[in-house]
Amino acid sequence: AQSVTQPDIHITVSEGASLELRCNYSYGATPYLFWYVQSPGQGLQLLLKYFSGDTLVQGIKGFEAEFKRSQSSFNLRKPSVHWSDAAEYFCAVGEDTGRRALTFGSGTRLQVQP
Amino acid sequence: EAQVTQNPRYLITVTGKKLTVTCSQNMNHEYMSWYRQDPGLGLRQIYYSMNVEVTDKGDVPEGYKVSRKEKRNFPLILESPSPNQTSLYFCASSFHGVPSYNSPLHFGNGTRLTVT
Repeated sequence: AQSVTQPDIHITVSEGASLELRCNYSYGATPYLFWYVQSPGQGLQLLLKYFSGDTLVQGIKGFEAEFKRSQSSFNLRKPSVHWSDAAEYFCAVGEDTGRRALTFGSGTRLQVQP
Repeated sequence: EAQVTQNPRYLITVTGKKLTVTCSQNMNHEYMSWYRQDPGLGLRQIYYSMNVEVTDKGDVPEGYKVSRKEKRNFPLILESPSPNQTSLYFCASSFHGVPSYNSPLHFGNGTRLTVT
């Protein structure tokens, strides 16, 4: 069965610093990978997605993620964090079966210090 | 505006009192799904529907029911809620269903349910 691991439950960075959120997945075939962001009191918003092709994908709000098959990772990065980036971030892998579900990681809560 | 609308946003109820959380999408999406979010567990799928009158269980279906009589609506029914169903619930939809690369999941804003 597929699974997603986000090893960091909580991360604090200073505003303007760079950010990397880790995501490791377990999936037999070529994965569909997603990063979502959840702001307080809001639903989940898609940041970026990957299926195939270029392993570095660009998303909204200045985020990017790099797919590394050899490491089964899909880490999310941002060069310079803004206070408005404080939120919870979820990595997810798409399931190419009849159920067609997303399997989510447990999330990483990002706190931004002024 | 394209959106997934859930109601209510907050709900406090007592054990055993039947409740329904509504979900509606205005994007003509075929696929709809319910997730629950619990601390440290991420989101787990409860039920999903590939189209009208087609529903199936997700990872954690026990204690829940759904129906899909119309394409736009996908209510979540708790016939006899229990405290372990206290959670944050999300409805989501997509045109074809994940993992279509060009048809991502759109989420509602969530319903926070407390069962005492």
